[in-house]
Amino acid sequence: AQSVTQPDIHITVSEGASLELRCNYSYGATPYLFWYVQSPGQGLQLLLKYFSGDTLVQGIKGFEAEFKRSQSSFNLRKPSVHWSDAAEYFCAVPDNYGQNFVFGPGTRLSVLP
Amino acid sequence: EAGVTQFPSHSVIEKGQTVTLRCDPISGHDNLYWYRRVMGKEIKFLLHFVKESKQDESGMPNNRFLAERTGGTYSTLKVQPAELEDSGVYFCASSQDRGREQFFGPGTRLTVL
Repeated sequence: AQSVTQPDIHITVSEGASLELRCNYSYGATPYLFWYVQSPGQGLQLLLKYFSGDTLVQGIKGFEAEFKRSQSSFNLRKPSVHWSDAAEYFCAVPDNYGQNFVFGPGTRLSVLP
Repeated sequence: EAGVTQFPSHSVIEKGQTVTLRCDPISGHDNLYWYRRVMGKEIKFLLHFVKESKQDESGMPNNRFLAERTGGTYSTLKVQPAELEDSGVYFCASSQDRGREQFFGPGTRLTVL
């Protein structure tokens, strides 16, 4: 069965600092990969996705992620964090049958002024 | 284009009562998913509809949970009778294609006292 790990439960960064959130997955083939964000009181919003092609993908709100097959990773990055980025971030992959999503446990991001 | 909507946004009930959650997917999306996040745990898949048919309900916790999707449009998730451990946030998502991007609703926060 697929699994997704996000090693960091909680990360705190200062506003303006760079950010990298880690995601590792287990999958037999090259998977589709997704990052979602949940802001306080909001639903899950898609930040970006990887299906194929260029391994560096750009998303909304200035986020990007890089797929590294050799490391089974899909880390999320942002060069300069804004206070509004404080939220919980989830990495996800489709299950073995390509239907429902398997989510990582999430990483909560706090931003210091 | 309207997004996925869920009703109610928050429900507080007593143990043993019945609650029905509703999800309206994006128009034209045949795939509809229910997920749940129990406090402190991961987002877990509950079930998947394709149009009005249940494609996969392997994630349903027990027979106290009943999901329907009348006419392949909106879906309801009924919990009867509710137990304390059913508390959590219930998310609905829809998609055009399996394994591709899923659009999530804002969730229903269920509190069972």
